[in-house]
Amino acid sequence: QVQLQESGPGLVKPWETLSLTCTVSGGSISGYYWSWIRQPPGKGLEWIGYIFYSGNTNYNPSLKSRVTISVDTSKNHFSLRLTSVTAADTAVYYCARASSRGDLYFAYWGQGTLVTVSS
Amino acid sequence: DIQMTQSPSTLSASVGDRVTITCRASQTISSWLAWYQQKPGKAPKVLIYKASSLNSGVPSRFSGSGSGTEFTLTISSLQTNDFATYYCQQYNSSPYTFGQGTNLEIK
Repeated sequence: QVQLQESGPGLVKPWETLSLTCTVSGGSISGYYWSWIRQPPGKGLEWIGYIFYSGNTNYNPSLKSRVTISVDTSKNHFSLRLTSVTAADTAVYYCARASSRGDLYFAYWGQGTLVTVSS
Repeated sequence: DIQMTQSPSTLSASVGDRVTITCRASQTISSWLAWYQQKPGKAPKVLIYKASSLNSGVPSRFSGSGSGTEFTLTISSLQTNDFATYYCQQYNSSPYTFGQGTNLEIK
């Protein structure tokens, strides 16, 4: 059974860079699309972007100028960098895997990690 | 971007009720729609994909229908465990977008 686990700082200062890693266990990172999704407290879900295991990426235009997603197949993990954060970036950040067929719905999710942007 | 609009935003129901949640897309998405259930403090869990395909392990009281721009999620007989927030998501085109959610609460 594929499991995903987010890790990274829970508190980031305004205008600094948010960095999170998602470690995949119980399966290979190869062959799949891997996404980051976020949810501000009490609000809905926003797709941030995905990376294919080969390194191809696709980002939400609303965040594209500030987002980088990367993958390390040797460590079976992928990462998110979001630059110049503000309070509006405070959210639970989830990593997720797309379906086995490559359809971009999210079949597997991490438990989520709350990142607060505050000085 | 394709906008997804769910209705109602809140639904009050009782155990045993049949309930329906609607999701409308701002443009056609064929059948590229998924439904998720989310409980407080937990990650969403996919219930339905491709509008009407039941994900493995999901009880058969959940069903989905629709195509194009209008979709429904139906729970045939509500169980205590079903009170949660439900989201639709389109994966026809990027950026992949979610509805605002429907909070299903106990009447």
